[in-house]
Amino acid sequence: AQSVTQPDIHITVSEGASLELRCNYSYGATPYLFWYVQSPGQGLQLLLKYFSGDTLVQGIKGFEAEFKRSQSSFNLRKPSVHWSDAAEYFCAVGGYSTLTFGKGTMLLVSP
Amino acid sequence: DAGVIQSPRHEVTEMGQEVTLRCKPISGHNSLFWYRQTMMRGLELLIYFNNNVPIDDSGMPEDRFSAKMPNASFSTLKIQPSEPRDSAVYFCASSLGREGGQGGHEQYFGPGTRLTVT
Repeated sequence: AQSVTQPDIHITVSEGASLELRCNYSYGATPYLFWYVQSPGQGLQLLLKYFSGDTLVQGIKGFEAEFKRSQSSFNLRKPSVHWSDAAEYFCAVGGYSTLTFGKGTMLLVSP
Repeated sequence: DAGVIQSPRHEVTEMGQEVTLRCKPISGHNSLFWYRQTMMRGLELLIYFNNNVPIDDSGMPEDRFSAKMPNASFSTLKIQPSEPRDSAVYFCASSLGREGGQGGHEQYFGPGTRLTVT
């Protein structure tokens, strides 16, 4: 069965500092991997996706993520966080049909 | 494109009443998903359709829940009778899946319906 672990429930980062959100997955084959962001009262918005090819993928809003097969990880990064990045972030893994989501990491941005 | 459209955005109802949530997927998408989000359980997949056919409804909590997709542009999730434990945010998502019910493509989410059952 596929699963996703986001080990950090909350993370606080100072505005302008770098960010890394962790995601580990379990999947029997080559996975499709996604990061979504959810602002309060909103639906989930796709930040980026990995299907194949280059293991470093670029997304919207200046985010990037790196797929590391040996570590079963797909960590999300941003070099400089803005206050507007405060939200909840979800990692997801999927195969041919459905997605399995992690529990999410809430990002707080301090001034 | 208008994105995935859900209605109503908020629903408050009394226990025992019937609740119907509606979803219009992105035009051209052939897979549709219904999720429920709560603080305790996170994001749960309830059911998904491919080409208007229910493929997997193993996430539907119980017989009080039912979902239909009469055509490619409309789906409903019905709860009858509703209970306070059904209070949650319900999301609809759509994607352009592969033939034969296979996906592998990103899902696009609607804004959700916040359901409160008193």
